[in-house]
Formats: sequence, structure tokens, C-alpha cells
Amino acid sequence: DVVLTQSPLSLPVTLGQPASISCRSSHSLVHSDGKTYLNWFQQRPGQSPRRLIYKVSNRDSGVPDRFSGSGSGTDFTLSISRLEAEDVGVYYCMQGTHWPWTFGQGTKVEIK
Amino acid sequence: EEQLVESGGGLVQPGGSLRLSCAASGFNFNIYNMNWVRQPPGKGLEWVSTITSSSKIILYADSVKGRFTISRDNAKNSLFLQMNTLRAEDTAVYYCALGSGGLWGQGTLVTVSS
Repeated sequence: DVVLTQSPLSLPVTLGQPASISCRSSHSLVHSDGKTYLNWFQQRPGQSPRRLIYKVSNRDSGVPDRFSGSGSGTDFTLSISRLEAEDVGVYYCMQGTHWPWTFGQGTKVEIK
Repeated sequence: EEQLVESGGGLVQPGGSLRLSCAASGFNFNIYNMNWVRQPPGKGLEWVSTITSSSKIILYADSVKGRFTISRDNAKNSLFLQMNTLRAEDTAVYYCALGSGGLWGQGTLVTVSS
């Protein structure tokens, strides 16, 4: 199975400051169709996961533009340009290139 | 409004069975692959199973293969997960999710304990 390793696992950030989460894959996530199926999810306390980014860098509808995704191959990053209070929660990367789908361990973002 | 609503969770003894349901509304259920993903209390997300739009392709995680069965009824906009021979390690919130995770339900808690 593909292993996704996120870092850091805990990320205290001052409001208004940027934040960055890394997701590294044990295998290339480039599919045979040429696309890279790496998604990012946000899970606020007590809520269901919500997809923020799909295929590396595409923001879902309604997702603020302070969220962005980048990367290629095996290294990916979720960036938050200016942290707001509503961004507190756990963030997961997920790959859909290889079966079974796998998730990273999660990164807990909190206010410093 | 697009929505997924799970039901059917509860407390069950080890070795028991449970059937989860997921009711879809607000979108064309028939054309989407659907998934079950679970989350043990206080832990991360684990993909459980996927069924394609026509039910032609069905996939399971090794941890549930042979014990869980995914199915769908496109006429009723519903997704199901039949869970047999339940174990303590199956205790989790079970979510249904659309496609590659673009929409999730609120989840239903399954607790396997004597």
C-alpha cells in the first residue's frame, strides 16, 4: 500500500500568519492517465471531513483562496496564506491514484 | 442542496452484524462512484470500500474483505454496507463519501463491544 507521511503532526500558528503542511508519498502518485490524484481534507472539531483541494492544486467550490495546494510526484504541500480561527482542525492528505486509497496520519492545526 | 445521511450504527457484540445505510439527495446519485470511510475514535481516516456507479466494480480494504459487503440501489438513491463478523477494531464512525471525497455524510457510530 502507498504510505503518506505528513509533517508536522502538530502545527501551532499565530492568527494571520502562514502555515504549511507536507505530505510525502512512498510511491509516485502520477496515474497512468497522467493525472495526480492527491487530495487535501479539513476536519474541524466535531465535524465530518471536507475536501479542500483535489488533484494537487484545484480548490473545491467555496474554499477560501488562502488555501492552496502544490507539488508533484511524491512531494506535496498544503499552504494556508493567513491563518484564521475557523481553520483550526486536523488536515489530511489522501491519494486516489493507487488502490487502496490511503490517508496521511493527519496534522493538527491550532492557534498559538 | 447536495446531502448524504448515514444511519444504522449502534452497539453490537463481537461476532455480530449491522447494516449501514446512506441516503443521497440533491445530486444525480446514479452517475457517481461511492465510498465508505471510517474513523476510529480519536484516530485518523481509513478507506473501507468503493462501489462504482453501476456496481460493476467493488473494492474492499484487506481489513474488511470477506466480512463487509457494499451495495447500492440507484432507484432509491441509497448506499449500503453490510457488516458481518464484527470485531472490536471495527469500532469507528462510518462515513459515506461521494466520488473522490467531494461530499461526506455526518457519519454513524458503530461500537463493537460485549
